[in-house]
Amino acid sequence: DVKVTQSSRYLVKRTGEKVFLECVQDMDHENMFWYRQDPGLGLRLIYFSYDVKMKEKGDIPEGYSVSREKKERFSLILESASTNQTSMYLCASSRDRGSNQPQHFGDGTRLSIL
Amino acid sequence: AQRVTQPEKLLSVFKGAPVELKCNYSYSGSPELFWYVQYSRQRLQLLLRHISRESIKGFTADLNKGETSFHLKKPFAQEEDSAMYYCALKYGNKLVFGAGTILRVKS
Repeated sequence: DVKVTQSSRYLVKRTGEKVFLECVQDMDHENMFWYRQDPGLGLRLIYFSYDVKMKEKGDIPEGYSVSREKKERFSLILESASTNQTSMYLCASSRDRGSNQPQHFGDGTRLSIL
Repeated sequence: AQRVTQPEKLLSVFKGAPVELKCNYSYSGSPELFWYVQYSRQRLQLLLRHISRESIKGFTADLNKGETSFHLKKPFAQEEDSAMYYCALKYGNKLVFGAGTILRVKS
């Protein structure tokens, strides 16, 4: 069974802090994704990566960056946290690009920026 | 542009009643569509995908290219079906999600 693990379930940070959200998957998936989940807006893609050191912007990348130094780990970075980044953050992974494989999600990190 | 529309934020039905969660999409290519579900305090998980033409937990969804729809249906709702449901469209190796519909099944 695919396991996608997000390092924190709940996180509280202050405005202006640099915030790291970590995600690890154990199924050797090529693709990894970061979303934010907000009521009434569904899931919106922030960034994704289809290989180590490769990244592409999603629909709402502003204020975020990512890092993928190893295949199993995908980090989301809030360079200077702001209150409008308070949200639930979901990490996901899937097999190769181009295949019809579903995405597997982590439990989510509920981030509050004060 | 790719877009998924779920017109209902909340759908409330009685146990045993039929359920239909609506999903419409906008996509110029050949669509690949999914339904994901999130039960209370659980992670988001795949419910079904159109390519499999399967029935999962009594739910089915048929792709209608003419109406650009992929509605999720179940003939008899159960209380354990209460959850948030998301319709998603795959393009490339990305997914675009609808805003989600909360299904509440009342006893």
